[in-house]
Amino acid sequence: NAGVTQTPKFQVLKTGQSMTLQCAQDMNHNSMYWYRQDPGMGLRLIYYSASEGTTDKGEVPNGYNVSRLNKREFSLRLESAAPSQTSVYFCASSEAAGSGANVLTFGAGSRLTVL
Amino acid sequence: AQKITQTQPGMFVQEKEAVTLDCTYDTSDQSYGLFWYKQPSSGEMIFLIYQGSYDEQNATEGRYSLNFQKARKSANLVISASQLGDSAMYFCAMREVYNFNKFYFGSGTKLNVKP
Repeated sequence: NAGVTQTPKFQVLKTGQSMTLQCAQDMNHNSMYWYRQDPGMGLRLIYYSASEGTTDKGEVPNGYNVSRLNKREFSLRLESAAPSQTSVYFCASSEAAGSGANVLTFGAGSRLTVL
Repeated sequence: AQKITQTQPGMFVQEKEAVTLDCTYDTSDQSYGLFWYKQPSSGEMIFLIYQGSYDEQNATEGRYSLNFQKARKSANLVISASQLGDSAMYFCAMREVYNFNKFYFGSGTKLNVKP
């Protein structure tokens, strides 16, 4: 009963380094999301994927890239990390259209620090 | 414009008392969903309750109820008989059915339950 699994849980990077956050869901959801959480700002959408093969920008996409590898997996890549990208990152998934009642299910979060 | 506004950054409540966490939203859509999530200090995001815009009754889930006032565009969370384990951040969120891939989150309210 894993739900949404994201790795790593913690990561420290130096400015300019790159890294990829991995996310996988086992609920057969069509839609997947990457959010970042910063103090006092709630959750802000970075990128989302409505279905396998599609990705779209959210509110704060600059400095990130994503890949929807298959229906289960959605990765987030920081090509050249900056201190402003220090944050907690959440992957989430949801069933797609048809009902507003479809709940967003979150992973446990990944705490990223960029020095 | 902010889609979701939570005006209470922090609140205190005495154990066993009821507490209301405020949430107002902004949308021109007729069909949307409203959600509340709890984030304890451990960091995970836990879904609490859902209200659809066409639901005539206020949603309830155990000790949680959602006070939905459509004309005022408010969706306040009421926690009855507070427990120490209710101490957490609480986020209000909205999903517009015709823009179903976007979940909008408020900045959150930190609730502290005092013994």
